Amino acid sequence: DTEVTQTPKHLVMGMTNKKSLKCEQHMGHRAMYWYKQKAKKPPELMFVYSYEKLSINESVPSRFSPECPNSSLLNLHLHALQPEDSALYLCASSQGGQKNSYNSPLHFGNGTRLTVT
Amino acid sequence: AQTVTQSQPEMSVQEAETVTLSCTYDTSESDYYLFWYKQPPSRQMILVIRQEAYKQQNATENRFSVNFQKAAKSFSLKISDSQLGDAAMYFCAYLNYGGSQGNLIFGKGTKLSVKP
Repeated sequence: DTEVTQTPKHLVMGMTNKKSLKCEQHMGHRAMYWYKQKAKKPPELMFVYSYEKLSINESVPSRFSPECPNSSLLNLHLHALQPEDSALYLCASSQGGQKNSYNSPLHFGNGTRLTVT
Repeated sequence: AQTVTQSQPEMSVQEAETVTLSCTYDTSESDYYLFWYKQPPSRQMILVIRQEAYKQQNATENRFSVNFQKAAKSFSLKISDSQLGDAAMYFCAYLNYGGSQGNLIFGKGTKLSVKP
């Protein structure tokens, strides 16, 4: 069982839709991450939140909007996506914030499989 | 910039046998960390093993062990007594010392199949 819970598991949306991906962890971790993973490729970092503040935005298009309402929750709001945005979206968390967090490994969720039609 | 290379897109092993997955990396740093992550069909990325570059001793975790050759910038993963549950995509990853886990640099992955 994963300690990082992502919902929904699957999502199909049209290019004009607005949807949100949700991620939740109750391990007391203070850093949370969004990754995008295309088929047969490694994960690509999108955003990092450290102590509920956005600390890294890897030049992600504005049609992806992250939100961290509290230390346990991380959302990814989607609007006007393109078919090439179809991918597996992985959430992860780690302890102790951003810097020097080596000793706390990333805990990943099972991801949301997003299809944009 | 650091890079991670996994030269084997796919590997296959017989159940109970041993298999080695290759990983090489390029960096000018002297302090860093290396990881192997496993991603089964369930999609969750799971940390298998990690190695600090300043440690000469190779890391081991039960049936998983690494061969870390710092001078050669090589970090291979050995899986002993392979089990059906080991079938997955394996990613090698690099992290600079003091860096955020979000700055992990992943290789392209090796898909491991385990034959019964």
